[in-house]
Amino acid sequence: EAGVVQSPRYKIIEKKQPVAFWCNPISGHNTLYWYLQNLGQGPELLIRYENEEAVDDSQLPKDRFSAERLKGVDSTLKIQPAELGDSAVYLCASSSPMGRLGSNEQFFGPGTRLTVL
Amino acid sequence: GNSVTQMEGPVTLSEEAFLTINCTYTATGYPSLFWYVQYPGEGLQLLLKATKADDKGSNKGFEATYRKETTSFHLEKGSVQVSDSAVYFCALSTNAGKSTFGDGTTLTVKP
Repeated sequence: EAGVVQSPRYKIIEKKQPVAFWCNPISGHNTLYWYLQNLGQGPELLIRYENEEAVDDSQLPKDRFSAERLKGVDSTLKIQPAELGDSAVYLCASSSPMGRLGSNEQFFGPGTRLTVL
Repeated sequence: GNSVTQMEGPVTLSEEAFLTINCTYTATGYPSLFWYVQYPGEGLQLLLKATKADDKGSNKGFEATYRKETTSFHLEKGSVQVSDSAVYFCALSTNAGKSTFGDGTTLTVKP
């Protein structure tokens, strides 16, 4: 089966510009996660979707970050405007609805490496 | 809030050496515990997991036991190989589906 697909893989922009990342989860996975990973650190959750609903967006900086998951499949994460400190890897992951909530494996995409100049 | 603390790296071992990477956690309730591995140039992938106290997760010669009394989930392997060189992340996920990752431990195995 195809894995989690993310695009683009790399993005370089100037500060104050907008940027968007796209994620296509594994077919049948209703839970989708967006993480931010700084160099030398672990992934930090930005937002979690259950189908179309954002069930945990408490760590999403809503002044400049937004996300959507129309139709409960693909998702887009946007930053507008980007700041120098946003340079990081943005990871998307998905998991299946089987089993107890929280017990399921997350499948990660390759990430998008963002550089803000 | 929840937290995961991993032993700091990097860790460098010779081939066939014994590996331990310590992981302790703080969380309310009974979270599920995971070890993910990231090989060079690849995304994170699940190595093993345990979903309740005293469970042992195992895969590819790696093991970790869910110890609720010490809130730990240490990763062990009896004999590492060069191909085990990677970054290892300990993580927890609560019954509400909230995930927390450690900062990762870089392992280098030399022939």
